[in-house]
Amino acid sequence: RKEVEQDPGPFNVPEGATVAFNCTYSNSASQSFFWYRQDCRKEPKLLMSVYSSGNEDGRFTAQLNRASQYISLLIRDSKLSDSATYLCVVNNNNDMRFGAGTRLTVKP
Amino acid sequence: DAMVIQNPRYQVTQFGKPVTLSCSQTLNHNVMYWYQQKSSQAPKLLFHYYDKDFNNEADTPDNFQSRRPNTSFCFLDIRSPGLGDAAMYLCATSRVPPAGTGGNEQFFGPGTRLTVL
Repeated sequence: RKEVEQDPGPFNVPEGATVAFNCTYSNSASQSFFWYRQDCRKEPKLLMSVYSSGNEDGRFTAQLNRASQYISLLIRDSKLSDSATYLCVVNNNNDMRFGAGTRLTVKP
Repeated sequence: DAMVIQNPRYQVTQFGKPVTLSCSQTLNHNVMYWYQQKSSQAPKLLFHYYDKDFNNEADTPDNFQSRRPNTSFCFLDIRSPGLGDAAMYLCATSRVPPAGTGGNEQFFGPGTRLTVL
């Protein structure tokens, strides 16, 4: 079983749609969690950290369920500029593990 | 602006010819990481430094070595590049926060794209 698993997609959605990504992790001792965004041939960039209480940043909402070892990202009102690969990242004592990423394409 | 810098951005080397990639940071972060990323795959952690302490991943080939002479710089040495080592190499940094305060988000450099001929 992979340490961090994501649905690779691709997710093809129209502008304005709501889309949700899921991620599961195997190490129950993991301490911190993140969503990164990576554009084609660019470096990953932090989208948001994920907290147990859930957190929201504009159109983006992240949730963490420690009991189920599950992380989610919800994007509301999708924009063309949201097209990218979304990477789930799980950290345990500076050992950062990436999921393979979920590819999103938002179409006009 | 504080940042993570990688040089060169593009590196071409010959099969078996040693190559060194460099990373520097102005963030004063105590942890530095090297990742290998191949097309359509997740970044794969090769190793990281927590201050001067080197942490190698179990499946990182011996062909890959690293040096961190000071807080700001970290180098990736590939002793004998093979065709399979062609990839994007990403350097990242993070700051270990005080216990219980969370954090640890990573900041990535733009990467060095390595081509092996």
